[in-house]
Amino acid sequence: NAGVTQTPKFQVLKTGQSMTLQCAQDMNHNSMYWYRQDPGMGLRLIYYSASEGTTDKGEVPNGYNVSRLNKREFSLRLESAAPSQTSVYFCASSEVVVRAGELFFGEGSRLTVL
Amino acid sequence: EDKVVQSPLSLVVHEGDTVTLNCSYEVTNFRSLLWYKQEKKAPTFLFMLTSSGIEKKSGRLSSILDKKELFSILNITATQTGDSAVYLCAVDGSGTYKYIFGTGTRLKVLA
Repeated sequence: NAGVTQTPKFQVLKTGQSMTLQCAQDMNHNSMYWYRQDPGMGLRLIYYSASEGTTDKGEVPNGYNVSRLNKREFSLRLESAAPSQTSVYFCASSEVVVRAGELFFGEGSRLTVL
Repeated sequence: EDKVVQSPLSLVVHEGDTVTLNCSYEVTNFRSLLWYKQEKKAPTFLFMLTSSGIEKKSGRLSSILDKKELFSILNITATQTGDSAVYLCAVDGSGTYKYIFGTGTRLKVLA
């Protein structure tokens, strides 16, 4: 069982470049999330999608855009990367609309912006 | 705005000690609280606590939820070096299915 799959696992960008982080889940979950994790900051919610066709801002949405392509896939785009976006990014999914459910995480994507 | 606060930020103990980690929250519409353990990579799930389940136990780990006082604790008894990790608490508290995390507690268990 793959669970939640993120690509790429590592990426180095120059300031101003754009890129998209891909996330897919095979658990038929309704809800998907993008978090970033910085040292000493825990996990901060960037965007989430409660169900297919909906997206909402989290705690730190500035500089990011998302697309819920279908029920399985939720991508995160950096249009013009900045050094402040250097972080580890985690995608997660949950069956939380139907009932309270835990988050299942991908392995993370380490992004460095020079 | 929803808020989740964990304490202490870090903790160093010796093997065999018992530790208590705290998570307090201020949210508008509590639905559930999650505890996770994070070592090198992705967080791994420990417990989920809801209004209908305010106490959970698994081996040496246990957790309780106090909905009146708005906090949860995670207890680890007879700690082992393998318990060294960051422990994260998250709350779904707005009724909109978004989970907000605290900053975590870094636990180090010395042999």
